Order: sequence, then structure tokens, then C-alpha cells
Amino acid sequence: DTEVTQTPKHLVMGMTNKKSLKCEQHMGHRAMYWYKQKAKKPPELMFVYSYEKLSINESVPSRFSPECPNSSLLNLHLHALQPEDSALYLCASSFRGEQYFGPGTRLTVT
Amino acid sequence: GQNIDQPTEMTATEGAIVQINCTYQTSGFNGLFWYQQHAGEAPTFLSYNVLDGLEEKGRFSSFLSRSKGYSYLLLKELQMKDSASYLCAVSSDSWGKLQFGAGTQVVVTP
Repeated sequence: DTEVTQTPKHLVMGMTNKKSLKCEQHMGHRAMYWYKQKAKKPPELMFVYSYEKLSINESVPSRFSPECPNSSLLNLHLHALQPEDSALYLCASSFRGEQYFGPGTRLTVT
Repeated sequence: GQNIDQPTEMTATEGAIVQINCTYQTSGFNGLFWYQQHAGEAPTFLSYNVLDGLEEKGRFSSFLSRSKGYSYLLLKELQMKDSASYLCAVSSDSWGKLQFGAGTQVVVTP
């Protein structure tokens, strides 16, 4: 089983809204990731969590705030986003190097 | 600098074989991944190579030469559903941080 789940599948939010993206895996993977993917571009790494601690922040603006409540869950809190933040947001988890992606949340900022 | 190169597009006929090459220059190497991504969907894990040589998984095979900074993905007995973007990605550190190539769009024709 290599399933990573993400909710919601689609999200439309205004620039003054606060929303959260959720990611869950029950494979016992201890590394989890957030990526952002714009149309016709490859995914770009945003954050890496290892053993529930933030290991890498790729200079992501503070309007994106990650959280790892436990080893199975990863959240991405969104606040005061800009229209250019509209993208597919992908969560991934890995074990022994193999990295698996969730289905993504398609975010539109209006 | 960091560089991962793969062709932009390849076209092949149903039932044929296609080989997608990927060359990389990265500051570290902790494995090379291949993902398949259909339009509007998340990347799907295909293979992970850490050691030199060929790994075969059904119709898909992946090869790695670390000394040459080179990998290829071989797709045999092409089917229409194989039309997708194929992403080459290198893990350059122990955190599993992935750097992606721009992707190769494979078009399978009848």
C-alpha cells in the first residue's frame, strides 16, 4: 500500500481567507513533503518534515505555514495568498528513498 | 550548478518502444526517480535507482550510470494510456529533497 491522501481536492479562496490543506499517510513513512506545481512545470519543493520536525524550508513565503501534528498527518495553512499562488499542491511521503505523491489539491486564489 | 536535462517531447506508435534519456549534474546524489504524470493528475512513482544498472518492472525499465550522470526510462509495448509526461528527478541529499527535470511529454499514436 503506497497511498497518500489529500483533502480537499479543489479549493477556491479569496486573498483575505485562511484555509488549510491536509495530507495523511498510514504507511509509517517518517519523511513528508509539500510541493507546489504550476501548469506545465515540474513540482517544486516547499517543505520537508523528517520525524515530525521541519528539516527544509525552501525559502517559502510566510503566508504558507506547514504543520506536522503527528507522524501520519501534514497540514499546510494558507493565509493572505496571492493569485500567483494558484497551483496544484502536492504532498508526498517517503520510505527508504522511495517517494510517493498524493493526488494533490488544486488551489485557486481569487 | 544543478542541472537535470531530458527531451521535451517524444512521439511513438502504439506497440513500439521508447527510451527517455535523462542527464544530471547535481551537488549530491542519493538516488534517481522516474515518475509518470497525466495531465491534471499527480505524479505516479515508476522507479527508483540508487545503484548502477538496469531495473525492470513489467513494461517499464530504468537504467542508471552514476559515473556518467545518466539514466534512461524504457517503455515497451506502448499503449495509448502511456501518453503522459515523464519526470526524471534526482534526490541530492539524505532528506529526500527532489530536483526535477522539466519532463518529457510522450505522445503515443495509433
